[in-house]
Parts: sequence; C-alpha cells; structure tokens
Amino acid sequence: KAGVTQTPRYLIKTRGQQVTLSCSPISGHRSVSWYQQTPGQGLQFLFEYFSETQRNKGNFPGRFSGRQFSNSRSEMNVSTLELGDSALYLCASSSISSGSETQYFGPGTRLLVL
Amino acid sequence: AQKITQTQPGMFVQEKEAVTLDCTYDTSDPSYGLFWYKQPSSGEMIFLIYQGSYDQQNATEGRYSLNFQKARKSANLVISASQLGDSAMYFCAMRGNTDKLIFGTGTRLQVFP
Repeated sequence: KAGVTQTPRYLIKTRGQQVTLSCSPISGHRSVSWYQQTPGQGLQFLFEYFSETQRNKGNFPGRFSGRQFSNSRSEMNVSTLELGDSALYLCASSSISSGSETQYFGPGTRLLVL
Repeated sequence: AQKITQTQPGMFVQEKEAVTLDCTYDTSDPSYGLFWYKQPSSGEMIFLIYQGSYDQQNATEGRYSLNFQKARKSANLVISASQLGDSAMYFCAMRGNTDKLIFGTGTRLQVFP
C-alpha cells in the first residue's frame, strides 16, 4: 500500500505571495492532519479534516486554510506569506479520527519564504 | 492542557548497545494514545510504536519497546541493539480527546561505531 504523498517537496516563494500544498493520504484513510515544523516552535498542529469536514484547528492565523476533497486528498493554502512561514509542512493520515489511531506522515514540503 | 516533555536534547550510544529516550506527559483525558516517531535528516516522520492508555502490557515492535508507567505519566522508548541507521531525531507524541497530536521537543540520537 502506497504511503502518504505530498507535493511539491520543495518550494521557494516571496513575501506576500500565496501557496498551496497538496497531500494524498494512504488509500482508505479518511482523516488528514497538517503540522508545521520550525526550529523555534517545533511541531505544531494546523488542522485536521475528516470526510471533507474540518474537525480540529490549531492556533494559526486565518491566512492558513485547508480543505479536503471527496477522495480524501487534502490541500493547505497559506495566503500573504510571511518570512516566519518558512517551515517544513507535514501531512499525516489515519483511517479514522481517534486518539488510538496512528497517524502516518508524508515526506513533507519544505517551504522557504524570501 | 496536554503536554509532552522530552528532557534529553541529545543522546549518544555505541552501536549494538541499548538506549532509553525519556518522555513524560501530562493530560486530564481518561483515554489517550502515546506514540514515538523517528525523523531522519530527510524530514519524514516515521511511526515506531504506539501505547494505549488502557493497555496493560508495554508495547514492543522489533527492537523498539515502550516502557509505560501510567502512574508516573512516563512513556520512555527503549531501543535495543542500536544501529548506525538509528541516528535521527526522536519525538514522543500524545493524542487524546482533542484528537490532535501533541509533540515533545525531540531527542537527537547519535549512534557511533
């Protein structure tokens, strides 16, 4: 079974631009979560989608948004990029949304904002 | 509030030796899951092992075992027979009623020959 895939793997943008990241979960998984990883803040939860509905949201400004499609693929969008948005963005999928379910991660998208 | 604490920023271990990575947690949720992930320099988070809060026995997965002490709120990862390929960042994480993973700050493990 194929793992979680994320595209693109690397991205360079300038301040003020917007970016869309994509995540394809493991086949059969309906829950997709997004995390931001930076050296200063560590790993922080962005949001979770389950069956096309946002179930949970972290403490990020409204510039960060996401959605999930009927095939469980998810996209994350960041508008009006700031230098501090430079990070590794990780997507994780699980079969259901539950504390006992393991989340499996993709390779991440490294975003650099100049 | 939920919190994961990893007090060891870095650890060194010789190849073929065992090593314990510490993790303590804090939660008021009655039911929760504890996870360990490995992150090599490539960036991908690799799932290693899971322990449920109601599991009576410590979890084991190959060379990985989780030393779960519920009363002390600790979930230490034990890696037996370390290999050079085990060099990486290791993250302890917890998922409770909020369903989001809360991560610790990580421990960088270096395995030397």
